[in-house]
Formats: sequence, C-alpha cells, structure tokens
Amino acid sequence: SQQGEEDPQALSIQEGENATMNCSYKTSINNLQWYRQNSGRGLVHLILIRSNEREKHSGRLRVTLDTSKKSSSLLITASRAADTASYFCATESKDSSYKLIFGSGTRLLVRP
Amino acid sequence: GAGVSQSPRYKVAKRGQDVALRCDPISGHVSLFWYQQALGQGPEFLTYFQNEAQLDKSGLPSDRFFAERPEGSVSTLKIQRTQQEDSAVYLCASSLARQSDTQYFGPGTRLTVL
Repeated sequence: SQQGEEDPQALSIQEGENATMNCSYKTSINNLQWYRQNSGRGLVHLILIRSNEREKHSGRLRVTLDTSKKSSSLLITASRAADTASYFCATESKDSSYKLIFGSGTRLLVRP
Repeated sequence: GAGVSQSPRYKVAKRGQDVALRCDPISGHVSLFWYQQALGQGPEFLTYFQNEAQLDKSGLPSDRFFAERPEGSVSTLKIQRTQQEDSAVYLCASSLARQSDTQYFGPGTRLTVL
C-alpha cells in the first residue's frame, strides 16, 4: 500500500503559469523526495528535502515541507510544455532508512 | 555518465512462463532496489540489496518472485509461473550510500502477461 496522497490527481495549466502539487503522508520521515516521470519512461529525481528542512529551491522548483502537518508541496514556476509529466512524492520513513514509499502521483499537462 | 540500465525494456509472456529481468546499476553504487509500478499508480517497493546481501524482501508479492545480486553489481528479478496480475512496469534503482540517499532509477521493464 502507498503512504502518500497527492493532490490534485491531474492538473492542466497554460505555459508560463505556475503549477502547485501537494503531497500528504502518514509516518515520521527522514526525508521526502520528488520525482518526475515522462510517459513510458523511468523516474527522474528532482529534489530531496530532509525532515529538518522547511524549504528548498532548485532552478524553477520550490519544495516546502511541514512535518507537523505531514505534508509537502512542489511549485514549478513559469511552466513549460516540456514540464508535462507525472510527478510523484516519495518518503523515506524513520523505520526503514532506505526504501521509498511513493504517492499516487499528479499528472501535469502544460498547454503550449 | 552511464545511468541505471534495464533489460529487456518490454517483455510479453504467456501465463505460466518464467521471466527474468535484468538491472545494471550505476558503477560503485552499494544499494539496489526493485519496485513494481502498476498502470496509473506510483511505484511500490519490492526488495533491497546492500552489495550482495538482500536485506529486505518484504515487498515481494509471493514466493514466485525471487531476486538476486550475486556479485554485488548486476541484479536479476525472476518471476516464476507468471500470472496476469504480474503485468506491470518493474523499476530498478541504485544509490551510492547504504541509506538515506538519492535513488537513481532505470527506464523500467514493462511486463505484459497474456
């Protein structure tokens, strides 16, 4: 069974707009990671945020983590058509510091 | 540099056949993981190796699933007597450290059982 719930399940925006995806999880974690998956391809690691961090940036990506609410958000600014993909959050729990537990993903469509 | 590679990329099997899926991790990576991804879902953990030792196989769905990494590098996931519910994408990932590290994923093997 999967740990996380992602919201929304699907998101359609115009190129240039910002996209925000949310992830909730259930257990105490060491870190939370965001991955992107293009149709029919493997997962690409985007960003890792540790449990003692609240916000992290990487290029057009901004990730926040609220451990009190067991939630995280991924913001993609100035979206591009190439950002069209599925986005997954994955948590590494304190109980097992290796395996990742994935959410069900948000399918993002960026319209040109 | 070379990433994680998997072969075959696509596999069609008749129900009851045995299949073997191969994973070549990034050179020097200690940890290796197998995940199963059903259509429209996120990946689910199957098993974990640290070098040649299989430290966690709690996610393997049944005793028809078997994984090995005999020399601490290449890994093979074997599924015996395949069933239709085994149809999924099987993803392999590796990481440099023993724990709490970024996992790098391969392109996956899409298994279809007819």
